[in-house]
Amino acid sequence: EPEVTQTPSHQVTQMGQEVILRCVPISNHLYFYWYRQILGQKVEFLVSFYNNEISEKSEIFDDQFSVERPDGSNFTLKIRSTKLEDSAMYFCASSEASGQETQYFGPGTRLLVL
Amino acid sequence: SQQGEEDPQALSIQEGENATMNCSYKTSINNLQWYRQNSGRGLVHLILIRSNEREKHSGRLRVTLDTSKKSSSLLITASRAADTASYFCATRRPGNTPLVFGKGTRLSVIA
Repeated sequence: EPEVTQTPSHQVTQMGQEVILRCVPISNHLYFYWYRQILGQKVEFLVSFYNNEISEKSEIFDDQFSVERPDGSNFTLKIRSTKLEDSAMYFCASSEASGQETQYFGPGTRLLVL
Repeated sequence: SQQGEEDPQALSIQEGENATMNCSYKTSINNLQWYRQNSGRGLVHLILIRSNEREKHSGRLRVTLDTSKKSSSLLITASRAADTASYFCATRRPGNTPLVFGKGTRLSVIA
């Protein structure tokens, strides 16, 4: 069964450093999302992406964040200058279409900012 | 209070018993989805119920949706130790909108 994959599974970085989290969505899906989950808290929406542009973003998704679909398969989340509070599990998700459709989540990347 | 609040926060049952988790929400929705998360792992989609549906089954899972009360329940029948996980409801408003998750219910099934 097709699945969303994410790399790396774990990332440790120093505060102020840039990180890039990578995702490979399910191949025939058109909508892509990033969510994050701070330890012990709820999953929060960051951004959705369709047709090579951001379709919606939350207040969390400030200028330090960016997303890109550099080729036909990868979908990346970049954090330019990490802060301690960026430490969280980051989930990528994809869906065939928006609205009714199920979002399928990747296994997540656990980011630790020191 | 926020969209997609589950209760109870934690539930501990014996293997073989049924587990019921509830979710309440505030705004109108297009659909409601339940996800499972094993400790420190990814989210696994369990079931989606649309706003015009009242009940849905998938294996040992039964989901109900009451849009008049803005609530949903997830029933796991004949629970197993492997069902131990956190369960989240996530709502989706009409349109191309993101999922809004609740804080989840931590289910422990004791063998």
